[in-house]
Amino acid sequence: DAEITQSPRHKITETGRQVTLACHQTWNHNNMFWYRQDLGHGLRLIHYSYGVQDTNKGEVSDGYSVSRSNTEDLPLTLESAASSQTSVYFCASSENRDRGLYEQFFGPGTRLTVL
Amino acid sequence: LAKTTQPISMDSYEGQEVNITCSHNNIATNDYITWYQQFPSQGPRFIIQGYKTKVTNEVASLFIPADRKSSTLSLPRVSLSDTAVYYCLVGPGSSNTGKLIFGQGTTLQVKP
Repeated sequence: DAEITQSPRHKITETGRQVTLACHQTWNHNNMFWYRQDLGHGLRLIHYSYGVQDTNKGEVSDGYSVSRSNTEDLPLTLESAASSQTSVYFCASSENRDRGLYEQFFGPGTRLTVL
Repeated sequence: LAKTTQPISMDSYEGQEVNITCSHNNIATNDYITWYQQFPSQGPRFIIQGYKTKVTNEVASLFIPADRKSSTLSLPRVSLSDTAVYYCLVGPGSSNTGKLIFGQGTTLQVKP
């Protein structure tokens, strides 16, 4: 079955280190998204991509970067991890549609702790 | 993107029907209304989407009045497993221009 996976599921790192979170989907979806979710809050969009070589900033993109070299993967990089980036990170993907239903499928999440 | 307002929390009992209303006064003509469900330690899951009137699937119903300035998610006969956070989102139906904006959602607690 097609799916979306994230790795690692849990990560502890130190302030200033570079960290990369992986996201892989097997639906062949064009659209991929990264969100962060902090305790008691909804999800906030970090970066998103509508296809290979396409990346766009979301509402909380500072300190994060993404690259899209193929359809299946959208890795999220924290260039220099900060304690404020301690959060749960969700990756999602969706099919390209002109109108109507375009549900996003979410991965299981990665819990990142920056000490 | 249209801003949404929904109750922070709701309580219900098993077997009851639960209605969660979402306000979206500045919804645009090409916006759709979508609801997601999120269980603890999991990513959100799509429940239902609609444009106008009523939409029903095996999980829920979505009622949208003619002015589309609000919508109501209806969960029939809830069980303990329906305890979750429910998000109302409003945005373009075209997926290659739409970005989902999640608010705080409504935390539904179903009691035995």
